[in-house]
Amino acid sequence: AQSVTQLGSHVSVSEGALVLLRCNYSSSVPPYLFWYVQYPNQGLQLLLKYTSAATLVKGINGFEAEFKKSETSFHLTKPSAHMSDAAEYFCAVSRSSNTGKLIFGQGTTLQVKP
Amino acid sequence: EAGVTQFPSHSVIEKGQTVTLRCDPISGHDNLYWYRRVMGKEIKFLLHFVKESKQDESGMPNNRFLAERTGGTYSTLKVQPAELEDSGVYFCASSSRGNYGYTFGSGTRLTVV
Repeated sequence: AQSVTQLGSHVSVSEGALVLLRCNYSSSVPPYLFWYVQYPNQGLQLLLKYTSAATLVKGINGFEAEFKKSETSFHLTKPSAHMSDAAEYFCAVSRSSNTGKLIFGQGTTLQVKP
Repeated sequence: EAGVTQFPSHSVIEKGQTVTLRCDPISGHDNLYWYRRVMGKEIKFLLHFVKESKQDESGMPNNRFLAERTGGTYSTLKVQPAELEDSGVYFCASSSRGNYGYTFGSGTRLTVV
């Protein structure tokens, strides 16, 4: 079975500081991995996805994530946080090219302090 | 292109009543998914349509939930009768065949009182 663990339900950083949101996954097959963001009162927006191409994936809004098979991790980073990055972030895994069912982590709320 | 649209955005109903949620996917997207997030928990998969057929309904909690997708276009999710534990945010998502980047709707927040 697949599962996703996001370490830290709340992360607080100062504006301009590094953002690091942690995601570890469990999968018996090569996974497809995703990061989604949800801003208040909006739907989930895809930030980036890993689909077995480059292990370093660049997404929108300056975010990137690195797939590390040995660590079963897919941590999300951004060099410099902006106030507009405050949102809830979800890591998700999918195992199949046919069903595309996503298994989500519990989410991490990012707070950005001025 | 228009995004995934969900109706209503909020619904408050009494226990025992019936509620129907609607999802209009992006035109031409064969895949349509329903997910639910109960407060404090992770987003959980409910079911997956490919066109009008149910591909995977393993996440449907019980037989009080009925999902349909008319003609492979919009989808409805009916809860009958609603229970308190059905409260949460119901998300719909769609994707084209072979595309792993879903487009999600804004969700329907269902409150059962």
